[in-house]
Amino acid sequence: EIVMTQSPATLSVSPGERATLSCRASQSVSSNLAWYQQKPGQAPRLLIYGASTRATGIPARFSGSGSGTEFTLTISSLQSEDFAVYYCQQYNNWPPCTFGGGTKVEIK
Amino acid sequence: QVQLVESGGGVVQPGRSLRLSCAASGFTFSSYGMHWVRQAPGKGLEWVAVISYDGSNKYYADSVKGRFTISRDNSKNTLYLQMNSLRAEDTAVYYCAKVIGDYVFTDAFDIWGQGTMVTVSS
Repeated sequence: EIVMTQSPATLSVSPGERATLSCRASQSVSSNLAWYQQKPGQAPRLLIYGASTRATGIPARFSGSGSGTEFTLTISSLQSEDFAVYYCQQYNNWPPCTFGGGTKVEIK
Repeated sequence: QVQLVESGGGVVQPGRSLRLSCAASGFTFSSYGMHWVRQAPGKGLEWVAVISYDGSNKYYADSVKGRFTISRDNSKNTLYLQMNSLRAEDTAVYYCAKVIGDYVFTDAFDIWGQGTMVTVSS
């Protein structure tokens, strides 16, 4: 089973600043990596798939990069609605597909 | 619009059974692999099971293998999760999710239901 490790666990950022979230896979997942945003009481929402492709309707301030074992989600200028928990997911080697433990982006 | 709506959650005693349903609308259900993902209270996301677009392939997480069964009825646009021999550690919100690409199931999940809560407690 591929283990996905996200860092940091919590990221404190001021509105308007840039946020950089990391996700590391225990072995290569090629570019089969997705990012999801989850707000309290809501289902996850797909942001990025294929490591760098924005999902439909996702603002351009969200960008993904990386391949193999190291991935990054960047939010260029945090808006109030972006404070949430973010999960990465690999769908390359499975079953099972696996999620990272999440990064909580909170207001500084 | 494209939508998934889960139902069937509730409070159940350990060892008992429960069946979850996920009603799909707004897309050609029979063309897409479907997954169940769960989230224990205050915890992260855990993949549970997947079924291919035609129901011919099914895979399960080790934690539920032999106890849970995923199925689908394409004529009713509905996904199911039969959960038997429930344990306290199965307590979670259960989400159904659709994959992006048609006729595959190894893909990202672009549509999620709102989730249904399952509580296993005596």
